Amino acid sequence: AQSVTQLDSHVSVSEGTPVLLRCNYSSSYSPSLFWYVQHPNKGLQLLLKYTSAATLVKGINGFEAEFKKSETSFHLTKPSAHMSDAAEYFCVVSDITNSGYALNFGKGTSLLVTP
Amino acid sequence: NAGVTQTPKFRVLKTGQSMTLLCAQDMNHEYMYWYRQDPGMGLRLIHYSVGEGTTAKGEVPDGYNVSRLKKQNFLLGLESAAPSQTSVYFCASSWNVNYEQYFGPGTRLTVT
Repeated sequence: AQSVTQLDSHVSVSEGTPVLLRCNYSSSYSPSLFWYVQHPNKGLQLLLKYTSAATLVKGINGFEAEFKKSETSFHLTKPSAHMSDAAEYFCVVSDITNSGYALNFGKGTSLLVTP
Repeated sequence: NAGVTQTPKFRVLKTGQSMTLLCAQDMNHEYMYWYRQDPGMGLRLIHYSVGEGTTAKGEVPDGYNVSRLKKQNFLLGLESAAPSQTSVYFCASSWNVNYEQYFGPGTRLTVT
């Protein structure tokens, strides 16, 4: 069985300061991991993905995430927040188990960026 | 390319009515998915399909049926709508389970 826990439901940062959105997962196999972003009243867009290559993954809009197997974490970071980063962020684990396909979304982290 | 499109964008149903949501993709993807999004719950997988003519249950399949008669289309049906099915429904498609999923813009459904 696998699951995803996003440790913060809301994160607030000032424009220009670093962003850290935390995600822990549990998995029976080597998972694929994703971060998606959802702006208000929009569908989801892929930020980045990890599929067993380099553990530090770079995505769009300056975001990156590091896969740490020992900590079962896949935290999302950005050095300097921009107002346009305000959105909902989802950590996703994609896994293949004995019972078939499994995909789990975290409950989401709402990022607020203040001037 | 239009990507993933969903029809309709909004719908209001009365309890017990039925309806079908249509999802279409023009990327020749094998995998297609239907999710529902509720406040504080993230996205939950309703049903998915790994190819034309196939469907499988996700996390919350009860009260929904799906069909994938054509590779590019994935239909989600509600036979007897209930207020608990008030939600935003997203369709997505991908090459494979470990590849990026492309999402449609969503359908906002209200059941009164």
